Amino acid sequence: AQSVTQPDIHITVSEGASLELRCNYSYGATPYLFWYVQSPGQGLQLLLKYFSGDTLVQGIKGFEAEFKRSQSSFNLRKPSVHWSDAAEYFCAVGSPGAGSYQLTFGKGTKLSVIP
Amino acid sequence: DGGITQSPKYLFRKEGQNVTLSCEQNLNHDAMYWYRQDPGQGLRLIYYSQIVNDFQKGDIAEGYSVSREKKESFPLTVTSAQKNPTAFYLCASSIGDRRMTDTQYFGPGTRLTVL
Repeated sequence: AQSVTQPDIHITVSEGASLELRCNYSYGATPYLFWYVQSPGQGLQLLLKYFSGDTLVQGIKGFEAEFKRSQSSFNLRKPSVHWSDAAEYFCAVGSPGAGSYQLTFGKGTKLSVIP
Repeated sequence: DGGITQSPKYLFRKEGQNVTLSCEQNLNHDAMYWYRQDPGQGLRLIYYSQIVNDFQKGDIAEGYSVSREKKESFPLTVTSAQKNPTAFYLCASSIGDRRMTDTQYFGPGTRLTVL
């Protein structure tokens, strides 16, 4: 069965510093990978997605992610963090279900930003 | 504006009562989903529907019921059989073309509290 692991429950960075959030997946076939962001008490917003092709994917809000098949990873990066980036981030893998494709989510990484 | 609406934002229920959460989308999406989110647990799939008048159980369907009488609406009923219903509930939708590139978009969520 597919699974997603986000090893870091909580990360704190200073504003202006670089950021990398880790995501490891377990899936037997070619993975389809997503990163979502959630502000407190809100729904999830799609940051970026990887289906095929270039392994470096650009998303919204200056985020990017790199798919590394050899490491089963899809880490999210941002070169300079802004205070508004403080939120919870979820990695997900698309996987087949009964007549559809579903998402399996990691448990999330909460990002705090120090001014 | 196209999007997904969930109502109410906050909902309080007494033990033993059934309660229905609303989810409406005007994106013309065929597929709709309900997730439950608990702190530190990520998102878990309750039910999903690929087409009107059809729906499938997800990973944690016990104590929940759904209907899909209209393409734009997918209400979730939390029944008295659900032993621990206090949680944040998220509705999502997607085109539903059954390919792994199908991307889910989320509503703002409903926080249910059992008193």
